[in-house]
Amino acid sequence: GESVGLHLPTLSVQEGDNSIINCAYSNSASDYFIWYKQESGKGPQFIIDIRSNMDKRQGQRVTVLLNKTVKHLSLQIAATQPGDSAVYFCAGALGGYNKLIFGAGTRLAVHP
Amino acid sequence: KAGVTQTPRYLIKTRGQQVTLSCSPISGHRSVSWYQQTPGQGLQFLFEYFSETQRNKGNFPGRFSGRQFSNSRSEMNVSTLELGDSALYLCASSLVGQGGEKLFFGSGTQLSVL
Repeated sequence: GESVGLHLPTLSVQEGDNSIINCAYSNSASDYFIWYKQESGKGPQFIIDIRSNMDKRQGQRVTVLLNKTVKHLSLQIAATQPGDSAVYFCAGALGGYNKLIFGAGTRLAVHP
Repeated sequence: KAGVTQTPRYLIKTRGQQVTLSCSPISGHRSVSWYQQTPGQGLQFLFEYFSETQRNKGNFPGRFSGRQFSNSRSEMNVSTLELGDSALYLCASSLVGQGGEKLFFGSGTQLSVL
């Protein structure tokens, strides 16, 4: 069935360190993946996306890696800052419309 | 440009009642999607509207319904409320709702059913 899940529910890092948040998906037909950040009291905020014909995509301080062989997605945040503290969700979509299947979420806690 | 606006921000209802939530998409966006977020089930897709037509639907009972108006604003309705309907209801908009478009979310309506 369709599902997108996360390995770790909580990740604690020191300010300045790099963070890696992992995600596994089950539907090999998913062709578009997105990472969202959700802060308390707010809706999910788009961070970065990647299509299934790519292995890696970089943004500002963030990198998404896609391994289709093992159906694994990761979000790397460089030089993590206190403002990065939030819940991070991966989501997958299957061509056509924007019907997203979300993972359970990982809480990132950044300590000074 | 204003973001996705959802009203009301908070709602408290009792079992058996019905509720209507409102969403105004980003100007120019014609696709509106609704998601339910709970601690137990996470974010789950409810339905998606484009040009006043429901194009896609998630696995929710018929008590959950929605509609879209000609100005792309959307409403969702939940009838005969149950305790398990307590959740954050999120609306998201995109240009035309094609796969690969960025979805922009509102801050949600927090519904509590007592």
